[in-house]
Amino acid sequence: QQQVKQSPQSLIVQKGGISIINCAYENTAFDYFPWYQQFPGKGPALLIAIRPDVSEKKEGRFTISFNKSAKQFSLHIMDSQPGDSATYFCAATSWTDKLIFGTGTRLQVFP
Amino acid sequence: GAVVSQHPSWVICKSGTSVKIECRSLDFQATTMFWYRQFPKQSLMLMATSNEGSKATYEQGVEKDKFLINHASLTLSTLTVTSAHPEDSSFYICSARDRSDHQPQHFGDGTRLSIL
Repeated sequence: QQQVKQSPQSLIVQKGGISIINCAYENTAFDYFPWYQQFPGKGPALLIAIRPDVSEKKEGRFTISFNKSAKQFSLHIMDSQPGDSATYFCAATSWTDKLIFGTGTRLQVFP
Repeated sequence: GAVVSQHPSWVICKSGTSVKIECRSLDFQATTMFWYRQFPKQSLMLMATSNEGSKATYEQGVEKDKFLINHASLTLSTLTVTSAHPEDSSFYICSARDRSDHQPQHFGDGTRLSIL
């Protein structure tokens, strides 16, 4: 019940395309859903996050879509760029608890 | 933005030695710090949660005598890998949560530990 399932494991997108990464969770106590971006040899950096009281949040080219009834959320990267090539982790938590990470998606954006 | 500094970024040492890794919150006070371990091409695995002034809480399967955690102040936590062996080689990452609000965890840049 503590797991967060993430797919796909890897993703190849052409420059300018849309990258979509999906996550699903079971624990209905989760109330905060961040996405992290990690470059090789670096720690994860917070990209964007959402709470379950909204169905979508957009920051620049990055959008989170949240489906509370389905217990699913996804990250959309519009106009993907080679600089977006990184590993992306979804996560879930309740405020006072630990982060539960997904398994990660390695994104490669080719020019 | 919230900055977490981790030091050293890379360390190589001989088997049997102890290695200390520092994690500092530079511009905020961190009530809680977390230590993770990450193997190549894998997700982050939480090792322990440390609260300032109290003993760390270790995840199941993590040896507390092997991985000593000290959270002596609101801006500093240390992880000491005692009597390190090659199997302890990994990427160790800390994170910190700002006590002032419900911001998410902010991560350091990790420490690459290589035990020869």
